[in-house]
Amino acid sequence: DQQVKQNSPSLSVQEGRISILNCDYTNSMFDYFLWYKKYPAEGPTFLISISSIKDKNEDGRFTVFLNKSAKHLSLHIVPSQPGDSAVYFCAASDQGGSEKLVFGKGMKLTVNP
Amino acid sequence: DAEITQSPRHKITETGRQVTLACHQTWNHNNMFWYRQDLGHGLRLIHYSYGVQDTNKGEVSDGYSVSRSNTEDLPLTLESAASSQTSVYFCASSESTVTGELFFGEGSRLTVL
Repeated sequence: DQQVKQNSPSLSVQEGRISILNCDYTNSMFDYFLWYKKYPAEGPTFLISISSIKDKNEDGRFTVFLNKSAKHLSLHIVPSQPGDSAVYFCAASDQGGSEKLVFGKGMKLTVNP
Repeated sequence: DAEITQSPRHKITETGRQVTLACHQTWNHNNMFWYRQDLGHGLRLIHYSYGVQDTNKGEVSDGYSVSRSNTEDLPLTLESAASSQTSVYFCASSESTVTGELFFGEGSRLTVL
């Protein structure tokens, strides 16, 4: 059973517009959520995170929103830039430890100039 | 700058051969992890270590082993490579065992023929 779901495999947006990447989870014990970005032939890099005690966390152009009742989080990128084109992984964990980090399948974002 | 490096970056081997993928980090992190990435599965944990002489099985550990003789290295060994182990392998390290913020290597692409 997939605990972290990224149901859309890809998204294409125009430069300057907003990109919204969605993620759903099923395990109510998850209390920490992260987004990683991955370029081709590179390892994933940490992008932004949010604790379950918050519903929003912002870092520059990147904002993550958490809706605990819906078990849903989203990553907003405003404005989108061509360099944002990458695969984005949603991940979740409970306080049990990093070994319990569960990743979604990833979503490919393409930002067109 | 501190970093995490994997070698080899690409390897082709035959079924039944023993293969070792190296991972070396200079972050001085106690926590190290091995993941595999496959289409349709995201990142799945193979083995992890929270310190020297500590190793633990992850979600997909069958057919793999690790050893941790020092802080910097966590080699991953495939005892008898199988075609199902064709994948991209990522090593990661972290400072915290709780927050899940991992630093990934660039990946090792393994093909088992």
